[in-house]
Amino acid sequence: DAGVTQSPTHLIKTRGQQVTLRCSPKSGHDTVSWYQQALGQGPQFIFQYYEEEERQRGNFPDRFSGHQFPNYSSELNVNALLLGDSALYLCASSLPRRDAGELFFGEGSRLTVL
Amino acid sequence: AQSVTQLGSHVSVSEGALVLLRCNYSSSVPPYLFWYVQYPNQGLQLLLKYTSAATLVKGINGFEAEFKKSETSFHLTKPSAHMSDAAEYFCAVILWGDSSYKLIFGSGTRLLVRP
Repeated sequence: DAGVTQSPTHLIKTRGQQVTLRCSPKSGHDTVSWYQQALGQGPQFIFQYYEEEERQRGNFPDRFSGHQFPNYSSELNVNALLLGDSALYLCASSLPRRDAGELFFGEGSRLTVL
Repeated sequence: AQSVTQLGSHVSVSEGALVLLRCNYSSSVPPYLFWYVQYPNQGLQLLLKYTSAATLVKGINGFEAEFKKSETSFHLTKPSAHMSDAAEYFCAVILWGDSSYKLIFGSGTRLLVRP
């Protein structure tokens, strides 16, 4: 049973560029959430997707956008990168109406913005 | 608004000693509380959760936590630390939305286990 997989694992971008991160949820899960974890901090909620729609959003600017595909996989896009966007981006999958709060996390995509 | 505060960014214990990681919460509704663990270069893994049932919750790897409403606390404990317990631990609380929820995480406590 494959868990949550994310790609790429590491990437380096420069300020102003755009980045796309990808996530495949755990088998049987249909809800995907994205979190940003800056160095030395706890994860911060970016948004959640269910049934290909954004269901909830955290306090992130519109430069952060996402998408969910019919197979439940998801992408996180960040435009006009800033130095402060450097972080570990975590994808988590879950079932929307069962086991609330039980998230299965991928290993993350570590983004460095120079 | 719901939030959690973890006291102590670093905790160091000897192998075999008691582990105590502190978490206090703030919530306007009965809270759902969680402890997650993050091993180096990995994602987070659920240790245990409290969802208004028994106040003493047992989790994986010998960890447990007790919900104390009077103290607004949800501290994580383990009777005897093992070297493999060295990791970062996060306390979290659910914030409910109209049709979904999100987890609000604390800033984390790094557990160091000395031989």
